Amino acid sequence: DSGVTQTPKHLITATGQRVTLRCSPRSGDLSVYWYQQSLDQGLQFLIQYYNGEERAKGNILERFSAQQFPDLHSELNLSSLELGDSALYFCASSVSPRPTDTQYFGPGTRLTVL
Amino acid sequence: AQTVTQSQPEMSVQEAETVTLSCTYDTSESDYYLFWYKQPPSRQMILVIRQEAYKQQNATENRFSVNFQKAAKSFSLKISDSQLGDAAMYFCAYRSRTGTASKLTFGTGTRLQVTL
Repeated sequence: DSGVTQTPKHLITATGQRVTLRCSPRSGDLSVYWYQQSLDQGLQFLIQYYNGEERAKGNILERFSAQQFPDLHSELNLSSLELGDSALYFCASSVSPRPTDTQYFGPGTRLTVL
Repeated sequence: AQTVTQSQPEMSVQEAETVTLSCTYDTSESDYYLFWYKQPPSRQMILVIRQEAYKQQNATENRFSVNFQKAAKSFSLKISDSQLGDAAMYFCAYRSRTGTASKLTFGTGTRLQVTL
């Protein structure tokens, strides 16, 4: 158990819908990362937050957005869902954004878009 | 941009034997980190081993060791005395040591089967 929690574990929804994925980082970790794992694209970095502020963006679609709240939990919002958005979404956390700090991954949320 | 390549989609090893998983990467940076992550059927991403590019000594964690060849941009993972619990997807990953973004860039993975 990495100490990073993600809810829900599984999510099944329809095209065009909107969902919210939640992540609670390890105690003491201020930096949160979101990654998407799909059959087509493999494991891709989406976005990073540090202490409530967006730090870096990767291959995140405009239909996707995220935020980190004052209690440091983070939410990834996916809207106008398409079949291709079906994937495993991971959250990872680290103490700080420094490259020396290890990223610990949560168990992931499996999203299925029908 | 950095890229990570794993050219072996699948590998198989017998229990108690040794197997080596390959990884190459492309970067113009001189300072970075390399990682191997394991993803068992549970889908959890587990850090196996980490290598700092400025260190010439290859990292070792129990039965896991790496062969880091900086000039060749090669970073292979050796698993000794393979166990059934080693069966998983293994991902090689790169992380820059400079700049503000500390994202991981992953390869496509190698599926390791362990047979009796």
